[in-house]
Amino acid sequence: SAVISQKPSRDICQRGTSLTIQCQVDSQVTMMFWYRQQPGQSLTLIATANQGSEATYESGFVIDKFPISRPNLTFSTLTVSNMSPEDSSIYLCSAEGGGETQYFGPGTRLLVL
Amino acid sequence: QKEVEQDPGPLSVPEGAIVSLNCTYSNSAFQYFMWYRQYSRKGPELLMYTYSSGNKEDGRFTAQVDKSSKYISLFIRDSQPSDSATYLCAMRNSGYALNFGKGTSLLVTP
Repeated sequence: SAVISQKPSRDICQRGTSLTIQCQVDSQVTMMFWYRQQPGQSLTLIATANQGSEATYESGFVIDKFPISRPNLTFSTLTVSNMSPEDSSIYLCSAEGGGETQYFGPGTRLLVL
Repeated sequence: QKEVEQDPGPLSVPEGAIVSLNCTYSNSAFQYFMWYRQYSRKGPELLMYTYSSGNKEDGRFTAQVDKSSKYISLFIRDSQPSDSATYLCAMRNSGYALNFGKGTSLLVTP
């Protein structure tokens, strides 16, 4: 199984600012994913990050709000731009595992004031 | 109707009990089914993975998939206080996007 780390683990930000979350995997993977987990809600996929190509965004999420980078096969970043209190959430990075599964990082807890 | 339904609980059981956790779904194209365990302030940890219908056992954990009923279950035998966590079901079709339930909060009391 892949071991995934995320930075920062938590942050408190002011509205209108941006935060970049980093995700590091201990092995090379083709597919990485970014999810949002809001209180009382299901984990929701934001986008799929493929190395060497543009990220693929799910319905309701746009690149201007959540730009993603994937510079190599072990690293990705998600930026939450022009934040509002509604962006307060847990943001999770995941990577494809062997076979058909996904492994998750510990998450980044974001509070926007 | 959400694609994946899961009772959020909370579910409280005494130590040693058999726990049954369930999810229903509406998309008949789902083929891959997973259970994740999430401790407070941690990321989801993959517990069980099943392809198509059938049962899979791993130690105290058994996953069941009934595609005809669009129903999946996770059984925990001899439950322990360390099993106290939120259990998330997840599933997908041939694509990569996972569809999650909201999670069931489980408390195992000594």
